[in-house]
Amino acid sequence: IQLTQSPSSLSASVGDRVTITCRASQGINSYLAWYQQKPGKAPKLLIYAASTLQSGVPSRFSGSGSGTDFTLTISSLQPEDSATYCCQQLKSYPLTFGGGTKVEIK
Amino acid sequence: EVHLVESGGGLVQPGGSLRLSCAASGFSFSDYYMDWVRQPPGKGLEWVGRIRKKADSYTTEYAASVKGRVTISRDDSKNSLYLQMDGLKTEDTAVYYCARSSGGTGDCLDPWGQGTLVIVSS
Repeated sequence: IQLTQSPSSLSASVGDRVTITCRASQGINSYLAWYQQKPGKAPKLLIYAASTLQSGVPSRFSGSGSGTDFTLTISSLQPEDSATYCCQQLKSYPLTFGGGTKVEIK
Repeated sequence: EVHLVESGGGLVQPGGSLRLSCAASGFSFSDYYMDWVRQPPGKGLEWVGRIRKKADSYTTEYAASVKGRVTISRDDSKNSLYLQMDGLKTEDTAVYYCARSSGGTGDCLDPWGQGTLVIVSS
């Protein structure tokens, strides 16, 4: 199953609403997770089961979607949100990741 | 605190072998699936494989790119996960992460270790 993320990069201002999309090549129900990765660091889980916020993750992050189309939204972008965001499908093997979206702060 | 620490990375020649380890602490290791994920320098994440828990017969899954060249194993008595890599290719150069997974409807990888760098070069 291929995952296509868009955009590949974006630049937004603090306080902006940011939306990242992840499209699966076939239906994956809600078996989708979102991760945040900062340079030189390991990925960190943000969202699982498409829309469940991982404990400790700020509520400005949210996920939605089911089937083939998914969205990660940051409701009010903060400076510490500068990172690369990546989706992963866990519906079938081999598990796959999207190509990533690099979010920069203007 | 849940903690995963990888070790065993380094420089290896093409065709060589390497065994990575992942030491787990802070949780009941035997109750979880465990995954390996890699990231080539400057590139995205690539899932390598998974090993299930004893209740699921320690079965494994692998990415096509590594199948037949890598073996994932675990030692629950030592809270340790392993990745045996043989026939290494230059394209296997990457940071290798281990991660805990749960399987099932809420499947996800959390947490991840800090990673260990494998460089395949002559």
